Parts: sequence; C-alpha cells; structure tokens
Amino acid sequence: EADIYQTPRYLVIGTGKKITLECSQTMGHDKMYWYQQDPGMELHLIHYSYGVNSTEKGDLSSESTVSRIRTEHFPLTLESARPSHTSQYLCASSEWSGGSNEQFFGPGTRLTVL
Amino acid sequence: SQQGEEDPQALSIQEGENATMNCSYKTSINNLQWYRQNSGRGLVHLILIRSNEREKHSGRLRVTLDTSKKSSSLLITASRAADTASYFCATDARQAGTALIFGKGTTLSVSS
Repeated sequence: EADIYQTPRYLVIGTGKKITLECSQTMGHDKMYWYQQDPGMELHLIHYSYGVNSTEKGDLSSESTVSRIRTEHFPLTLESARPSHTSQYLCASSEWSGGSNEQFFGPGTRLTVL
Repeated sequence: SQQGEEDPQALSIQEGENATMNCSYKTSINNLQWYRQNSGRGLVHLILIRSNEREKHSGRLRVTLDTSKKSSSLLITASRAADTASYFCATDARQAGTALIFGKGTTLSVSS
C-alpha cells in the first residue's frame, strides 16, 4: 500500500466555492503530480512539481493552482468551482531511482460541483 | 496528442482464460509501465519494462516491448475475477525521470 493520502475522498459543493484538495506523501519523494480523470477516461496531467517551490502546469489546461511549500505536501486549489470542474482528481508521487520513475497514487478525490 | 493508445478498449473473458492488452506509442521512450486501476480508485503500478528489454515477467503478468513498432503488450495468464479493472500503459517520453503520459486504458471484465 502506497503511503500517499488524499482528502477528502468525496466532495460535493456549490458553484463559486473555493476548495482545496489535499495530497500528502510520507515517502520523501521529490516529484509529485496531479491528474484529472473523467469516468472511464484517460488521466490528464494538470500540475506537477519536481521539488519544494517548484510547480509546473501539465498537458491539460486547468483553472486550478498548486503549491509545494513542503516536500510531503502538494495541495490543489480551485478559487471558484464550476460544474465543468466535476471530475476525479488523482495525486501521485515518484522518485527517479535505478532507471525507474514508478508513480505511487493516492485513492483520489471525486469532486462534484452543482 | 496522447502518447499511448490501448487496444482493445474493453475486454470480457471467463476466469481461467488469458487476457492480452496492447499499447502503442508515438515517440522514443526510456521505459514503459503498466498500471491497474480498480473502479473509482487510484492506480497501482504493475510492471516496468525498459527500452532495451524485450520481455519481462512478474507472476501471472508478461509484458513485451517492440521499440521498432512502438508497441507493448500485457498478458495476464489464468485470469481471476479479482483481475477485473482498467489497465493503462504509461511512457516517460518527455525525458527520463519526469512525468508519465498515460494511454486511454483497457477495461477488463473477468467473470466466474
């Protein structure tokens, strides 16, 4: 079982609310990622970080923002949620070691914006 | 554009049968990985094959890689109901050690 945690697991909120999805890992990994995944669809990378104070946007444009103040913590924030943000958000971490960048995933946060 | 494309999109088999899933990609890679996702959960890493490897085994899993055809296959032998999940291939085509690019996945259903 991977030591990467996401809270909340499920979130139902109204349009216009500000939300923060939490992600933390206890493996000391430098690299962390946020993916967005609609039901039955592929994962789209929306943000990644290669270390503290490093954040980059991914392939899929997202109105969310991220921060990386501590190695173990990589929260994602939506300033004003909209129904189009309804999706599953997956957090992952990895460490380049021995030619492998295996990613460890959290259980995901399923977000519904009404 | 998506780097990896799995085929088939969905596969239904009986317990005990073998399941084969294919993945194609577009650019050079350092390694290719396969992940499993149970319904509504995070992904779990299954196996990694490096670009200089052609075949790799792990338990009931067998992965092949053909870099000339830019394709990989995942074979699950003697499938079980617990193998029911979505399977994704992922490549690190950007550069070694960086973010992966995931395919669209194959949904496998194993019935008893």
